[in-house]
Amino acid sequence: DAKTTQPNSMESNEEEPVHLPCNHSTISGTDYIHWYRQLPSQGPEYVIHGLTSNVNNRMASLAIAEDRKSSTLILHRATLRDAAVYYCILQIQGAQKLVFGQGTRLTINP
Amino acid sequence: DTGVSQDPRHKITKRGQNVTFRCDPISEHNRLYWYRQTLGQGPEFLTYFQNEAQLEKSRLLSDRFSAERPKGSFSTLEIQRTEQGDSAMYLCASSIVLAGATDTQYFGPGTRLTVL
Repeated sequence: DAKTTQPNSMESNEEEPVHLPCNHSTISGTDYIHWYRQLPSQGPEYVIHGLTSNVNNRMASLAIAEDRKSSTLILHRATLRDAAVYYCILQIQGAQKLVFGQGTRLTINP
Repeated sequence: DTGVSQDPRHKITKRGQNVTFRCDPISEHNRLYWYRQTLGQGPEFLTYFQNEAQLEKSRLLSDRFSAERPKGSFSTLEIQRTEQGDSAMYLCASSIVLAGATDTQYFGPGTRLTVL
């Protein structure tokens, strides 16, 4: 399974932007980059995904490096409710299961 | 759309007992997944169904574990002769796969199993 590397933890302040990095140097051309997050005592929640181009949705933005070996999840204005573990996952085209790593535990300070 | 639901939310059992969990996916989702999550770790894939067919099983799924999805709707996960190592959160997810699209999975709240 294609692997991703994320920092174990990050901290930010409320109402500030947050940039969560992910390295995936072994990505292949058909792998999608997915981000999920897991709030305390809840199941994971889909955030965003992309293939080559940057993507935006109501929750976040995904910036993908030109060589696709890294990506960054951007929360434009963090709130306390964004405190969660964020997982960056490569989904091989045609594969079904998600392979979760340890993720990044994001703490938001009021 | 009520999302993925799981029942029960919590289960405490004694070692050696059998337990069964239920998952109701989002209506019309054709894929259903089971994952297991232990404390401090990310979820680990166990198995998945496309409609009623079980198409992949992880090596984590020992012969004490069995999953079914009769009629391609709800699914059950049974663990026989539970062991303390089975204590975990069991997560269910569902998705609908459209041609040319990736598989976005929607997770339920999980069933937390504690084996004493």
